[in-house]
Amino acid sequence: AQSVTQPDIHITVSEGASLELRCNYSYGATPYLFWYVQSPGQGLQLLLKYFSGDTLVQGIKGFEAEFKRSQSSFNLRKPSVHWSDAAEYFCAVHPSNTGKLIFGQGTTLQVKP
Amino acid sequence: GAGVSQSPSNKVTEKGKDVELRCDPISGHTALYWYRQSLGQGLEFLIYFQGNSAPDKSGLPSDRFSAERTGGSVSTLTIQRTQQEDSAVYLCASSLGTGELETQYFGPGTRLLVL
Repeated sequence: AQSVTQPDIHITVSEGASLELRCNYSYGATPYLFWYVQSPGQGLQLLLKYFSGDTLVQGIKGFEAEFKRSQSSFNLRKPSVHWSDAAEYFCAVHPSNTGKLIFGQGTTLQVKP
Repeated sequence: GAGVSQSPSNKVTEKGKDVELRCDPISGHTALYWYRQSLGQGLEFLIYFQGNSAPDKSGLPSDRFSAERTGGSVSTLTIQRTQQEDSAVYLCASSLGTGELETQYFGPGTRLLVL
């Protein structure tokens, strides 16, 4: 069955430090992968998505993610975190021929001043 | 243009009562989705619509849950005889189509508390 795992439930980084959020997926075919961010009391906002081509994907707000098929991973990165990046981040896969997204459990990011 | 809107934003109800949650998708979006976000279960898919039809309702947790969409636009999620375990945030999303490349745009959610 398709699944997404985000191993880190909670991460704390200092403002200005680099960030990497991990995501591993289980899916037999070419995955369609997404990262969403949810700020407190808000809906989910798409950061970036991958479906083919270049394995390094650029998104909004300075985020990028790298697809590694050999590791079944799609990790999210940012070179320098801002206090406004504090939020919950969700990795998701969209299985073929379905309408749904399958989400990981989410990673809560806290940013220290 | 306007994003996905949901109403009410918060709903408190008593166990056993029925509730209706409403979703207004982005104009022109043919696909509409319902998800549930709860502490224990994370983000779960419930049902999606393509037009007024629901090709996949596999995520509805029980027959107390139902949803409809009329006119290819507004959707209503109804929970009958609510239980405490129904307490969650119900998120609606819409997209232009249902392909894997389509971005799903999410509303702010309805926070449901069943006492």
